[in-house]
Amino acid sequence: AQRVTQPEKLLSVFKGAPVELKCNYSYSGSPELFWYVQYSRQRLQLLLRHISRESIKGFTADLNKGETSFHLKKPFAQEEDSAMYYCALKSGATNKLIFGTGTLLAVQP
Amino acid sequence: NAGVMQNPRHLVRRRGQEARLRCSPMKGHSHVYWYRQLPEEGLKFMVYLQKENIIDESGMPKERFSAEFPKEGPSILRIQQVVRGDSAAYFCASSPRDRAQNIQYFGAGTRLSVL
Repeated sequence: AQRVTQPEKLLSVFKGAPVELKCNYSYSGSPELFWYVQYSRQRLQLLLRHISRESIKGFTADLNKGETSFHLKKPFAQEEDSAMYYCALKSGATNKLIFGTGTLLAVQP
Repeated sequence: NAGVMQNPRHLVRRRGQEARLRCSPMKGHSHVYWYRQLPEEGLKFMVYLQKENIIDESGMPKERFSAEFPKEGPSILRIQQVVRGDSAAYFCASSPRDRAQNIQYFGAGTRLSVL
């Protein structure tokens, strides 16, 4: 079964601390994974995708096929990073997305 | 480009009424996806449409729900005879014709409340 798991509902860190938002997936085949972010009162927007291998707003995510993970990392959290983060997996020929339940990141001053 | 537009933002219906949710994709986008988010859950895929065609409706409930994307005008998600369990946030996303781009752009969502 295709599934995305985000084990943490809430992650609270202090400003300047490292952040790691966990994402594990279950997928037969070659996965394509995304991180979406939703800031307060804003719409869901793409943060990064694994095939781009890019860093956005200091965030990176590496696909680890052995561990079936796609954890999102940032070395030094900022208060403006506080948001809801969703990991998503592209499924099938129609490109529909399978989402995890999301992790709320709260960065304390 | 105004982005994906959904209306209304909030919709209140009584049990048994019909709900119509509208989605206008981004300019130049011809693929539309609908997702539903129940409280405390992630977004769940419902249906994928191209102009005048339903491509994948594997996530749609078998009864009361329907979707269309006509040649002209927005995509419509229609829920007939709503029940309390239909209360949720409904999100629409669009992507460009070149699916190799594979990025979905989301609207702000419609929050449906069934009394």
